[in-house]
Amino acid sequence: DAGVIQSPRHEVTEMGQEVTLRCKPISGHNSLFWYRQTMMRGLELLIYFNNNVPIDDSGMPEDRFSAKMPNASFSTLKIQPSEPRDSAVYFCASRATGSTGELFFGEGSRLTVL
Amino acid sequence: SQQGEEDPQALSIQEGENATMNCSYKTSINNLQWYRQNSGRGLVHLILIRSNEREKHSGRLRVTLDTSKKSSSLLITASRAADTASYFCATETSGSRLTFGEGTQLTVNP
Repeated sequence: DAGVIQSPRHEVTEMGQEVTLRCKPISGHNSLFWYRQTMMRGLELLIYFNNNVPIDDSGMPEDRFSAKMPNASFSTLKIQPSEPRDSAVYFCASRATGSTGELFFGEGSRLTVL
Repeated sequence: SQQGEEDPQALSIQEGENATMNCSYKTSINNLQWYRQNSGRGLVHLILIRSNEREKHSGRLRVTLDTSKKSSSLLITASRAADTASYFCATETSGSRLTFGEGTQLTVNP
């Protein structure tokens, strides 16, 4: 299995632009998590899905952030408009539904907003 | 605020020595997990210990859990330079929410 696949790996954009981060979970995994990692705040859970349904989005910072999971093999995290304070590494992770076990992480998308 | 807090924030040891990292948390948990992150990479799961377990081993890793003190420790024995990484504890509460601590940066000097 190729593991969790995220794209792009790096993105540099200007303030005010729309940013879309993409994630393909491991096949057969029905739970998907989006995390954000910064030096100041560490790893923050933004949102997670079970069977494509958002379960907990309390970590989404504000209305500029939105996440979708249109099917079991694809999710997006969108920031519109982006701000410099959104600069971070965004991780997607997946695991089998009903499992209270390990998360499998992608390699992350490093976002820099100028 | 983060559910888990690691201690120490940074640890530097010589190859062959043991490394111990601690994690404290605040609320009741279903399980506690430890992850490793190499610089610029994603997190990799190391070991999981359930709330009704007290100790678990996996290779050179030993994890303990004290639910009365709301704390856990990760011991890496006979460390190697390749163990250099950041180590995070993560607590899973009801609803499958997994919350990470701030991590311990381990440096193993050859």
